[in-house]
Amino acid sequence: AQSVSQHNHHVILSEAASLELGCNYSYGGTVNLFWYVQYPGQHLQLLLKYFSGDPLVKGIKGFEAEFIKSKFSFNLRKPSVQWSDTAEYFCAVTTKGPPGTYKYIFGTGTRLKVLA
Amino acid sequence: DTAVSQTPKYLVTQMGNDKSIKCEQNLGHDTMYWYKQDSKKFLKIMFSYNNKELIINETVPNRFSPKSPDKAHLNLHINSLELGDSAVYFCASSQVGAGGSQETQYFGPGTRLLVL
Repeated sequence: AQSVSQHNHHVILSEAASLELGCNYSYGGTVNLFWYVQYPGQHLQLLLKYFSGDPLVKGIKGFEAEFIKSKFSFNLRKPSVQWSDTAEYFCAVTTKGPPGTYKYIFGTGTRLKVLA
Repeated sequence: DTAVSQTPKYLVTQMGNDKSIKCEQNLGHDTMYWYKQDSKKFLKIMFSYNNKELIINETVPNRFSPKSPDKAHLNLHINSLELGDSAVYFCASSQVGAGGSQETQYFGPGTRLLVL
């Protein structure tokens, strides 16, 4: 069965530190990949997505992610985090196919806390 | 204008009661979802509707019944509420893209349900 793994459940960083959150999926076919962010008390919002083309995707607020097909990974990175990046981050994968066969699968989330 | 709206935002009720949560999207999307997010922030899909038809029905007690009167609405009715139903319920919508894959999900603000 398809699945999405986020191995870091809790990450604590100081401001200006670099961030990398891992995301691995298990599915042999074509996928679309997403990172969503959920700020405290808010709903999920799209951070960035990859459908095709350049595997290095740039999103909002200085975030980027790299799709490495051979590793089934889509890790999220930011060179220098800010206190305002404190949030829950969710990786998600959608598989392709006719309605009724495709899936939209979320990882379990990574809670990032940035210390001022 | 709010793209995906949910009502109510907060719902506090007694065990055994029946309650409904409403969701509306004005994005013209053809697919809508209900998710449950527990206290640990795990996001679990409950239902997905495509053009008013149920396409995903995960392992959810049959006390939960979704209803989609039209493409823009997906309501969630819960019978005989239990303590374990306390959570945040998110509605979301997306559009099927080229090749049959789902594109970005847009989430509602969430309904915080507390069962006493």
